[in-house]
Amino acid sequence: GAGVSQTPSNKVTEKGKYVELRCDPISGHTALYWYRQSLGQGPEFLIYFQGTGAADDSGLPNDRFFAVRPEGSVSTLKIQRTERGDSAVYLCASRRGGRDTEAFFGQGTRLTVV
Amino acid sequence: SQQGEEDPQALSIQEGENATMNCSYKTSINNLQWYRQNSGRGLVHLILIRSNEREKHSGRLRVTLDTSKKSSSLLITASRAADTASYFCAHTGANSKLTFGKGITLSVRP
Repeated sequence: GAGVSQTPSNKVTEKGKYVELRCDPISGHTALYWYRQSLGQGPEFLIYFQGTGAADDSGLPNDRFFAVRPEGSVSTLKIQRTERGDSAVYLCASRRGGRDTEAFFGQGTRLTVV
Repeated sequence: SQQGEEDPQALSIQEGENATMNCSYKTSINNLQWYRQNSGRGLVHLILIRSNEREKHSGRLRVTLDTSKKSSSLLITASRAADTASYFCAHTGANSKLTFGKGITLSVRP
């Protein structure tokens, strides 16, 4: 595709529910990142994929958060038993692969847990 | 967690003036990048400087990198009202993890 696509753009869910956030990276980009951003803060690293495997998941806050990228393209961030503190903008980025390449970001999914 | 720090946290200047933003980091890096964000949504890549480079230019942007001080600066010359945004530095470590700082809010008054 032309850019990184994230769906939905907004999601409102009730506390305790399960949500899935989707990221479609730029075609051919092997690296994919998930970030979480709260108001007035910088993007907080969650997880990074190289191909199908999670190369670094050290930013996932707890075991309610999980992400997959089964075919090395689309990725899904899954949050179980959502809490109000999970409310944030979730950003996805992809990179062609090498470390010295720029990351392209999607417009994010604004998650609100009520 | 974020390992980079930008300063100042907020900067307000008059159109036409230069804006200088600084960033520090704590680990060894492969490169450092600057991004811009409008309205709290998607980030736009501005410029990348590799760890073996000291200065880089792109249009009205000038970036410097001092690996001995673990710091970088972004200079925007002849600022415009449209430059009003949040600016973030991000560094890439050996494992390709991209880590962002907290950001600087730049306001350019017309």
